[in-house]
Amino acid sequence: EVQLVESGGGLVQPGGSLRLSCAASGFTFSSYAMSWVRQAPGKGLEWVSGFSASVGGTYYADSVKGRFTISRDNSKNTLYLQMNSLRAEDTAVYYCAKATQVASLFEYWGQGTLVTVSS
Amino acid sequence: DIQMTQSPSSVSASVGDRVTITCRASQGVSSWLAWYQQKPGKAPKLLIYVASSLQSGVPSRFSGSGSGTDFTLTISSLQPEDFATYYCQQANSFPLTFGGGTKVESK
Repeated sequence: EVQLVESGGGLVQPGGSLRLSCAASGFTFSSYAMSWVRQAPGKGLEWVSGFSASVGGTYYADSVKGRFTISRDNSKNTLYLQMNSLRAEDTAVYYCAKATQVASLFEYWGQGTLVTVSS
Repeated sequence: DIQMTQSPSSVSASVGDRVTITCRASQGVSSWLAWYQQKPGKAPKLLIYVASSLQSGVPSRFSGSGSGTDFTLTISSLQPEDFATYYCQQANSFPLTFGGGTKVESK
């Protein structure tokens, strides 16, 4: 059974940093592209960052480029999101998501972790 | 960036109704499109991938169609558990983008 378990969320002051983790199990983690998607309170889904399913490499939404860094440790089956220079508008539930084999369409999602940026 | 526009933003319907949601891309995305269902407090659930393929375990009353820029999600006979918000998402190019969502509410 595929499981994705996020952790690391919490309350942080504007300008602060946080690192999110997503522990994966039930599939060959190294073989799949992964992404982070967030949802601000009462708002829609926003893709944040991810690894490409086809050509490799990492990608970011303009709203987080230069502040967030995605990484993965295939030996630990874990995806990370390092978030620096956090702003109030980064407040959201952050989901990690597993892509399908052929494209970054997301067949499995974690339960999400809440990040609140506030003084 | 590719913009995804969903319509309507909300729809009121009754159990047994046929519900159709549309998603339009600002440029062609081939068939690299998915539909998700999200209920309050829960993670999204994949319903349809590559525009028209039904995800395993998803009831056959859900169907998707389209390619290029215009896509449709259809619920053939709305069930009580289908009241939720639905999102489209393109995976043709980065940055990946979602539609704004369509909330299906009880009439």
